[in-house]
Amino acid sequence: DQQVKQNSPSLSVQEGRISILNCDYTNSMFDYFLWYKKYPAEGPTFLISISSIKDKNEDGRFTVFLNKSAKHLSLHIVPSQPGDSAVYFCAVAGNTGGFKTIFGAGTRLFVKA
Amino acid sequence: DAGITQSPRYKITETGRQVTLMCHQTWSHSYMFWYRQDLGHGLRLIYYSAAADITDKGEVPDGYVVSRSKTENFPLTLESATRSQTSVYFCASSESLGQGKDGYTFGSGTRLTVV
Repeated sequence: DQQVKQNSPSLSVQEGRISILNCDYTNSMFDYFLWYKKYPAEGPTFLISISSIKDKNEDGRFTVFLNKSAKHLSLHIVPSQPGDSAVYFCAVAGNTGGFKTIFGAGTRLFVKA
Repeated sequence: DAGITQSPRYKITETGRQVTLMCHQTWSHSYMFWYRQDLGHGLRLIYYSAAADITDKGEVPDGYVVSRSKTENFPLTLESATRSQTSVYFCASSESLGQGKDGYTFGSGTRLTVV
């Protein structure tokens, strides 16, 4: 049973527009929520995170929103650039119950020039 | 150079063979991890280590063995490779375990094919 779900395998967006990537989780005990970005033939790289006590965290063009009541996490990229084309993994982390970091299946983002 | 390096980058092996994937990090991070990436499953944790000589199972440990005699090295061994172990393997390191607020640092991966 997947604890972290990214229901959209892929997303295509026009350059300059907003990209919204979504993630749902099942366990309310997680402490941190993260997004990783992965280019082909490279390892994932950490992008942005948010604590469970916050509902928004912004870093430049990237904003992560957390809706704890809905157990939903989203990443907004504004404006989208062709270099943002990659696979984005949602991840959840916490110390409770021995959890480590659990990853979703990923969403492939295509940003068209 | 500082960082986390995996070797080899690509490996083809036969069913039943033993194969070891290497991981080396230069930050002296306490925690190290092995994940496998498969289509539709994302990244799944195989084993992790909290320090030298301390290791523990993750989500999919069967068929794998790890060791950590030195802080900087965390090799992953497939004792008798099977086709289901064909995957891309990523090593990662971090100062924290479950907290993870600063994220893990990943290596570039090893693409393993078992024929």
